[in-house]
Amino acid sequence: DAGVTQSPTHLIKTRGQQVTLRCSPKSGHDTVSWYQQALGQGPQFIFQYYEEEERQRGNFPDRFSGHQFPNYSSELNVNALLLGDSALYLCASSLVWREAPYNEQFFGPGTRLTVL
Amino acid sequence: RKEVEQDPGPFNVPEGATVAFNCTYSNSASQSFFWYRQDCRKEPKLLMSVYSSGNEDGRFTAQLNRASQYISLLIRDSKLSDSATYLCVVNPPGYALNFGKGTSLLVTP
Repeated sequence: DAGVTQSPTHLIKTRGQQVTLRCSPKSGHDTVSWYQQALGQGPQFIFQYYEEEERQRGNFPDRFSGHQFPNYSSELNVNALLLGDSALYLCASSLVWREAPYNEQFFGPGTRLTVL
Repeated sequence: RKEVEQDPGPFNVPEGATVAFNCTYSNSASQSFFWYRQDCRKEPKLLMSVYSSGNEDGRFTAQLNRASQYISLLIRDSKLSDSATYLCVVNPPGYALNFGKGTSLLVTP
């Protein structure tokens, strides 16, 4: 059973550039969430996608955008990169029909983004 | 006030010790609760869900007190392999998971 996969594993960009991160959910899962984890902090929710639409968004600027494809995979795009965008970007997948308390999310290995 | 607050770490304990982590949350309408474990430079992995009645999984016991908005995790007979960061996670109304900052545990021989 394939777990959540993410690519690339590491990325180095310079300020002002744009980046696209990719995620494939766990087999059978239909919902993808993205999180940003800065060093020494817990993950912070960016947004969640289901049925190719953004269901909920966290407190992140419009520079952060996403997309979900018909096969449930997802992309996270970040424009006009800032030094503060350096972090581990985590993708998590889940099943939309599983309600609390069974709505756990499963995380991929993350993409480590460094902005210079 | 942060939405999820955890004990400051790090916790350094000898093998075989019992250690307890505490966590409080601010949104009384929160619906589900979890403990995740995160190893250095790895992704968080679900350790256990936390149910109102409390639940146990081997050496791990989780408790939830909705009235006090408090969650705990007890680890008995600590192993070297338990060394990691433990993240308290709360799902408020909606779909996001709110994570605490995490508590670092180091189990020493």
